Amino acid sequence: DAKTTQPNSMESNEEEPVHLPCNHSTISGTDYIHWYRQLPSQGPEYVIHGLTSNVNNRMASLAIAEDRKSSTLILHRATLRDAAVYYCILAPHGGSQGNLIFGKGTKLSVKP
Amino acid sequence: DTGVSQNPRHKITKRGQNVTFRCDPISEHNRLYWYRQTLGQGPEFLTYFQNEAQLEKSRLLSDRFSAERPKGSFSTLEIQRTEQGDSAMYLCASSFSTSTNEKLFFGSGTQLSVL
Repeated sequence: DAKTTQPNSMESNEEEPVHLPCNHSTISGTDYIHWYRQLPSQGPEYVIHGLTSNVNNRMASLAIAEDRKSSTLILHRATLRDAAVYYCILAPHGGSQGNLIFGKGTKLSVKP
Repeated sequence: DTGVSQNPRHKITKRGQNVTFRCDPISEHNRLYWYRQTLGQGPEFLTYFQNEAQLEKSRLLSDRFSAERPKGSFSTLEIQRTEQGDSAMYLCASSFSTSTNEKLFFGSGTQLSVL
């Protein structure tokens, strides 16, 4: 199974942008890049996913490198509610994409 | 859309006892997943159902674990003869599968403590 590498932790100031990196050098051509986050005492929450092109939604943006070996989750204005563990996950296209392999993720702290 | 519901939220049991957890997925979601999460780690996949059929099981799912999804609605996860190593958060997720866009919706989990 393809794996991802993320920093263990990052800090941000409230109302500033946050760039969360993820390396996935062994990604295959059919792997989707998914991001989930997990707030304290809650289950993971879907954030965004993409295949090749950059993606935007109301929560965040996903920037995917041209060679797809890395990606960056962008929170445009961090709020205190964004403090969570962020997981970058590769999911193969076809079959169940729900058998997700979570790593340890990046713990994001947001300072007021 | 009331979200994925899991019961109980917390369960404390003695080693050797059997426990059962329930998951109610979002209505009309045809896929249901069970994950396990220990402190400081990301969730680990255990098993999933498409409708009532259990299609995949992780090697983490020992023979003491059994999951069911009768009639393709709610699901139960039973652990027999619990061990202290079973202490973890058990997460349920559901999705409506499409070919390219499967988002999982997770419940808040059942925290199991085996004494």
